[in-house]
Amino acid sequence: DSGVTQTPKHLITATGQRVTLRCSPRSGDLSVYWYQQSLDQGLQFLIQYYNGEERAKGNILERFSAQQFPDLHSELNLSSLELGDSALYFCASSDPSSTSGGNIQYFGAGTRLSVL
Amino acid sequence: QKEVEQDPGPLSVPEGAIVSLNCTYSNSAFQYFMWYRQYSRKGPELLMYTYSSGNKEDGRFTAQVDKSSKYISLFIRDSQPSDSATYLCAMSINSNSGYALNFGKGTSLLVTP
Repeated sequence: DSGVTQTPKHLITATGQRVTLRCSPRSGDLSVYWYQQSLDQGLQFLIQYYNGEERAKGNILERFSAQQFPDLHSELNLSSLELGDSALYFCASSDPSSTSGGNIQYFGAGTRLSVL
Repeated sequence: QKEVEQDPGPLSVPEGAIVSLNCTYSNSAFQYFMWYRQYSRKGPELLMYTYSSGNKEDGRFTAQVDKSSKYISLFIRDSQPSDSATYLCAMSINSNSGYALNFGKGTSLLVTP
């Protein structure tokens, strides 16, 4: 168990809908990352939050947004869903106070999104 | 061209074999190199990480980084059927607050009894 918790495990929804994915990082980890994994693209970085503030953006669509709350949990919001958004969404966290800085990321079990 | 290239396999080996998994990369700014193991439909599990160049050993696993060639490897000795999984290499620049990981597409490994 990595200590990173993601809910729900599986989401089934229809095109055009909006969903929220939730992530609780490991205790004390200030950085939270979101990744998307699809069969053809592999794991792609979406966005990073550090202690409540957006730190970096990757290939995140404008229909997607995220936030990190004062208790450090994070939510990824996906709206106007399309068939192509079906994928595994992973959250990861890292601890800047560790010996490796914040460079080592630990992943949750993921949320499988199915858009029908 | 992707920053990180990894042969997707599949790679099939008999139990007890030595497995060699490799990745190449193009960004010379990468300083941290990781190997993750992912079982089907599960989250990536960190196996090992290396900072800069050199070798690191942990039980049956050895990670090597050759920055001059931009080439990293993971060796698995005495492979077991339980090692059957997808192995992902990942790398990032050095940042105290953390930085996005660049992943290879993963190599699928099957160890047969």
